[in-house]
Amino acid sequence: DAMVIQNPRYQVTQFGKPVTLSCSQTLNHNVMYWYQQKSSQAPKLLFHYYDKDFNNEADTPDNFQSRRPNTSFCFLDIRSPGLGDAAMYLCATSVRPGQESYEQYFGPGTRLTVT
Amino acid sequence: RKEVEQDPGPFNVPEGATVAFNCTYSNSASQSFFWYRQDCRKEPKLLMSVYSSGNEDGRFTAQLNRASQYISLLIRDSKLSDSATYLCVVRFTGGGNKLTFGTGTQLKVEL
Repeated sequence: DAMVIQNPRYQVTQFGKPVTLSCSQTLNHNVMYWYQQKSSQAPKLLFHYYDKDFNNEADTPDNFQSRRPNTSFCFLDIRSPGLGDAAMYLCATSVRPGQESYEQYFGPGTRLTVT
Repeated sequence: RKEVEQDPGPFNVPEGATVAFNCTYSNSASQSFFWYRQDCRKEPKLLMSVYSSGNEDGRFTAQLNRASQYISLLIRDSKLSDSATYLCVVRFTGGGNKLTFGTGTQLKVEL
């Protein structure tokens, strides 16, 4: 089945130790997103790629970076995780605007713990 | 004022009940509307898109009122498995590909 896959599902890292979360998709969607979601809060968009074009949200800290080496893969790098970065990180995809709709399809998420 | 507002609940209802959620949005030029369902510690999953004419999918009915800037979701004959958080999601004009999520309404269906 076509899907969005995130690895690992659970990640524990130490304060200040760089960590990379990965996302892959078999949907062949043009757009990929990274969200941060904390308990009882709405998903917060960090950035997204429209094909190879990177779009950063104005309030995303510099500590968060992303890479998209090809259509299928996208990575979230947290350069120096702080305790406040502990959250669920969700990857999502959607088709190109103008094609069908703007529905987004989410991966299962990576739950990040910072110790 | 939040861009997308929802009553956080929780709504505790007996199995078989009908329950309705409302969501209001601030940008009158909003273009696309969705309801997502999110189970505890899981990812959001698309429940249904919301069309101007209203739409129904089995026990679920979604309505859009552009004049009053609100969206509703009606669930009939609630099942235990409907227990989840329901997220109201809006795409604003000029927002490109981006969706704005409400914080969700929690539903608990009980025996």
